[in-house]
Amino acid sequence: KQEVTQIPAALSVPEGENLVLNCSFTDSAIYNLQWFRQDPGKGLTSLLLIQSSQREQTSGRLNASLDKSSGRSTLYIAASQPGDSATYLCAVRPAGGNNRLAFGKGNQVVVIP
Amino acid sequence: NAGVTQTPKFQVLKTGQSMTLQCAQDMNHNSMYWYRQDPGMGLRLIYYSASEGTTDKGEVPNGYNVSRLNKREFSLRLESAAPSQTSVYFCASIFTSGQGILAYGYTFGSGTRLTVV
Repeated sequence: KQEVTQIPAALSVPEGENLVLNCSFTDSAIYNLQWFRQDPGKGLTSLLLIQSSQREQTSGRLNASLDKSSGRSTLYIAASQPGDSATYLCAVRPAGGNNRLAFGKGNQVVVIP
Repeated sequence: NAGVTQTPKFQVLKTGQSMTLQCAQDMNHNSMYWYRQDPGMGLRLIYYSASEGTTDKGEVPNGYNVSRLNKREFSLRLESAAPSQTSVYFCASIFTSGQGILAYGYTFGSGTRLTVV
């Protein structure tokens, strides 16, 4: 069974610092990995999708890397802003089977003005 | 805007009451999913439908039933609500096109916040 772990569970950083969020997964047989953002009381918003054949994806201040062989992904957020405060969820889509996502429990981020 | 629409957004039920959570997507996705999210537990899969006409159990199916009404709609029914079903429920969808087509990600609805008293 695929297990996804996100470390740290919670962190606070001063505005302007770069954020580094880690996601690890136990089975490297994946189709892709997706990072989501969730604001308190809200739904999930997709941030980045990395295919298993890719090493990274970028969107604005966000960059996500994938090392499939070691079972790791990292989400970098450059020059953090208070509006980046949210929970960030990592989800892995296993290869084969029924397309059921395996989720981590999230990194809860607070950016301090 | 295209996406996944869930109704209702909030609901309070008494123990033993029944209700149906509705989900509809207009992106021509063929697979749809119901998750629940609880503090400290993360997102857990209740049921999913890989394609129109099929449904399968996820991790936590007990106490729930689903119907894939057509390609667009996937409903979740609580026949006799219990306090343990107090949660936030999310519907999600994805386009799948057989093995080898890897390009797509999931889209989530904004959730239904259910309280059972």
